[in-house]
Amino acid sequence: GIQVEQSPPDLILQEGANSTLRCNFSDSVNNLQWFHQNPWGQLINLFYIPSGTKQNGRLSATTVATERYSLLYISSSQTTDSGVYFCAVDRNAGNMLTFGGGTRLMVKP
Amino acid sequence: DAGITQSPRHKVTETGTPVTLRCHQTENHRYMYWYRQDPGHGLRLIHYSYGVKDTDKGEVSDGYSVSRSKTEDFLLTLESATSSQTSVYFCAISGTGNTEAFFGQGTRLTVV
Repeated sequence: GIQVEQSPPDLILQEGANSTLRCNFSDSVNNLQWFHQNPWGQLINLFYIPSGTKQNGRLSATTVATERYSLLYISSSQTTDSGVYFCAVDRNAGNMLTFGGGTRLMVKP
Repeated sequence: DAGITQSPRHKVTETGTPVTLRCHQTENHRYMYWYRQDPGHGLRLIHYSYGVKDTDKGEVSDGYSVSRSKTEDFLLTLESATSSQTSVYFCAISGTGNTEAFFGQGTRLTVV
């Protein structure tokens, strides 16, 4: 099956700092999503981005499908950004998602 | 928020007992999924459904069965729970296979 690798596995930031999270995948994909799992365990949709670039407030994402990677940018980080960020992909049109291992982010005040 | 309700939210059960988890949606979405999340493994797909009475296996389906008799409900059954099935279970929905999936709040299951 498809392999999804996220880096870095852990990240500690001071409030206000910027960061870039990376997701590499081993095959072409039909779907790609970024999620934030908050400290209460809830999975929050950030981006649906099988290709191209999107922005939502302080967050933006870029997927370069031909090179099999996606980047999530967090600017001016806040303590509420803490949690685990997951990239998930699907090769086919069925949304059977394969998740990466996640990046655990801690933002310190 | 997507209209997804998982029940129960927490459950403790004994080894060997049957357990059924319920996922209910109010979005009339065609696709529904069950995932489990374990430390060190991220989320993994157990089973999915692409319509009423249409289901298929995911990556980690052994020991689980599912049923979908109505569009809005997707049930996950552990016929005889084992300690290795202690996990957090998430239900997800999507309207088509090419749109984003939304997740429920999860069910924490402990098998003792």
